[in-house]
Amino acid sequence: DTGVSQNPRHKITKRGQNVTFRCDPISEHNRLYWYRQTLGQGPEFLTYFQNEAQLEKSRLLSDRFSAERPKGSFSTLEIQRTEQGDSAMYLCASSMALSGNTIYFGEGSWLTVV
Amino acid sequence: DQQVKQNSPSLSVQEGRISILNCDYTNSMFDYFLWYKKYPAEGPTFLISISSIKDKNEDGRFTVFLNKSAKHLSLHIVPSQPGDSAVYFCAARKFGNEKLTFGTGTRLTIIP
Repeated sequence: DTGVSQNPRHKITKRGQNVTFRCDPISEHNRLYWYRQTLGQGPEFLTYFQNEAQLEKSRLLSDRFSAERPKGSFSTLEIQRTEQGDSAMYLCASSMALSGNTIYFGEGSWLTVV
Repeated sequence: DQQVKQNSPSLSVQEGRISILNCDYTNSMFDYFLWYKKYPAEGPTFLISISSIKDKNEDGRFTVFLNKSAKHLSLHIVPSQPGDSAVYFCAARKFGNEKLTFGTGTRLTIIP
C-alpha cells in the first residue's frame, strides 16, 4: 500500500493523559498536513510541513498540541494533558509542492478521551 | 465564519440518475476547489478538482462546475451507483496557501 498511513487507527485514553499519533506520507511527497474532524463537521486544518519545516499552524493548535517531522519523512502529532474536547478524528495528508497539487488523506486516527 | 457552505446535509437519488451536490463559498480569494468523498471511519478520498481559471472539469462519471460570479460550485455524478453512497465534502484553497477550508459535507444515498 503506497498511500498515507496513520497509526494507531483508534486510541481511547483517560483525560489528562498524553497521546501521540504517527503519520507516514506518500513516499515522494514533501508536504505533510494534519487536520482534525469532529462529528458533523468537515476537516479543520491544524498544521503543515514542507520537508522538516513547520510552515503554518492554526489557532486550533493549542499549546498542548505539538507536531514534528524531524527528517522530512514521517510526522508525529502529540496531544498533552488530553481533554474530552480533543475527541475527534485526526487526519494526516500529504502532497507534492506543485501548483494545483492534490492533497491525499490517510484513513485517520480516532481519539476518544474518557 | 463558515467560508465554504454545503447547505444540503443529505441527498437521496435513484440509482442510474444524476446526483448534483452543491457548494457555496464566500471568500473571493479562493482559487482552487476540490471534492472529496468520505466513507464512515475512513479518511477523505480525492475525487476531482477545478482551478478558478476554468468553469468545468470532467473525470469519468464526475463533473465539477464552477460559477465564480455566484461563488458556487457543483459536483455532478452520472449515472449514480450504489457505491457512490458516502459523505461528500467540498474544499477550497487560496492561491499560495496550503490550507484547505472544508464545507460540512452532504450525505449522498443512492437508492437501488
